[in-house]
Amino acid sequence: DSGVTQTPKHLITATGQRVTLRCSPRSGDLSVYWYQQSLDQGLQFLIQYYNGEERAKGNILERFSAQQFPDLHSELNLSSLELGDSALYFCASSTRDSTDTQYFGPGTRLTVL
Amino acid sequence: GQNIDQPTEMTATEGAIVQINCTYQTSGFNGLFWYQQHAGEAPTFLSYNVLDGLEEKGRFSSFLSRSKGYSYLLLKELQMKDSASYLCAVRGRTGGFKTIFGAGTRLFVKA
Repeated sequence: DSGVTQTPKHLITATGQRVTLRCSPRSGDLSVYWYQQSLDQGLQFLIQYYNGEERAKGNILERFSAQQFPDLHSELNLSSLELGDSALYFCASSTRDSTDTQYFGPGTRLTVL
Repeated sequence: GQNIDQPTEMTATEGAIVQINCTYQTSGFNGLFWYQQHAGEAPTFLSYNVLDGLEEKGRFSSFLSRSKGYSYLLLKELQMKDSASYLCAVRGRTGGFKTIFGAGTRLFVKA
């Protein structure tokens, strides 16, 4: 158990819908990262937040948005869903030491029908 | 920019030793990570190298050569449960510090 929690574990929805994925980082970690992993693909970095502020942006679609709240939990919002958005979505939080090691949550499996 | 190369797939035999290589290009190198990921599960942290040399952790060891932009993960006494993808990730400086992940090496351990 990495200490990072994500809800829900599974989500099934229809094209055109909007969903929200939630992540709580490990106690004491200030950074949260979001990744998308499609079937048999590598991890695609979406976005990073640090202590409530956006720190870095990757290949995140305009239909996707995220935020980090004062209690440091983060939400990833996916809208106008398409079949191709079906994937595993991982959240990670990183240590405050110089290594910045990322620890991953169990992921949310999103299926868009 | 940053770039990571690692083999797509490898096969090894139970009880054997396997070495998974990773070459990278980055500016402002600030650390290299190895993760293990079983299918459908989250990546789990295995090792971190920031200085040249070998770091040993039980059956797993990781080596780094910064001058060559090269690392390897060595798995000894392979077990069937070691069948997984192994991700090499590099932290470098492009704008701010960023960690990028390689596509992973899928390891199959056969009896």
